[in-house]
Amino acid sequence: AQSVTQPDIHITVSEGASLELRCNYSYGATPYLFWYVQSPGQGLQLLLKYFSGDTLVQGIKGFEAEFKRSQSSFNLRKPSVHWSDAAEYFCALNTNAGKSTFGDGTTLTVKP
Amino acid sequence: GAVVSQHPSRVICKSGTSVKIECRSLDFQATTMFWYRQFPKQSLMLMATSNEGSKATYEQGVEKDKFLINHASLTLSTLTVTSAHPEDSSFYICSATGTQNTEAFFGQGTRLTVV
Repeated sequence: AQSVTQPDIHITVSEGASLELRCNYSYGATPYLFWYVQSPGQGLQLLLKYFSGDTLVQGIKGFEAEFKRSQSSFNLRKPSVHWSDAAEYFCALNTNAGKSTFGDGTTLTVKP
Repeated sequence: GAVVSQHPSRVICKSGTSVKIECRSLDFQATTMFWYRQFPKQSLMLMATSNEGSKATYEQGVEKDKFLINHASLTLSTLTVTSAHPEDSSFYICSATGTQNTEAFFGQGTRLTVV
């Protein structure tokens, strides 16, 4: 069975500082990996996805993520955080049947 | 990208009544649709998987008689919460995949409050 782990429940960064959110996965086949952001009371917004090819993927809002098969990781990064980035972030893994398994999420707080 | 529309976005119902939530794929044929539930401050948990024309497959611990899922066409799946109780209050989100199955497209979610 597949699983996704987001080790950090809550992260606080200062506005303008860099950000890295960690994601580790467990899956016996090729993973399809995603990062979503969710603001309070809202649905999911896709930030970026990895299927194959270049292991460094670019997403919206200045986010990027790097797939490292040897570490079973797909960490999300942003060089300079904006106050509007404060939200809940979910890493997800899809099987080839389309089923999504989510991590527990990381709450990002941005200090002024 | 593909668009999935979910309605209603918010619903308040009285305890003991039933509520239907619709999930539509607007610009693609959804071979499979998924229903998730998200309690406050928690992650999304898969409730069931539905394929067009087939009975839904429910995850362990999800009551199939309480959460009725119908996937009558390639563009529409419905989730009916029957005899709703306050503990069913939650955020329900659907997703749909096309023939490729590698990416699921999510609806906007439905906030259900049972009073």
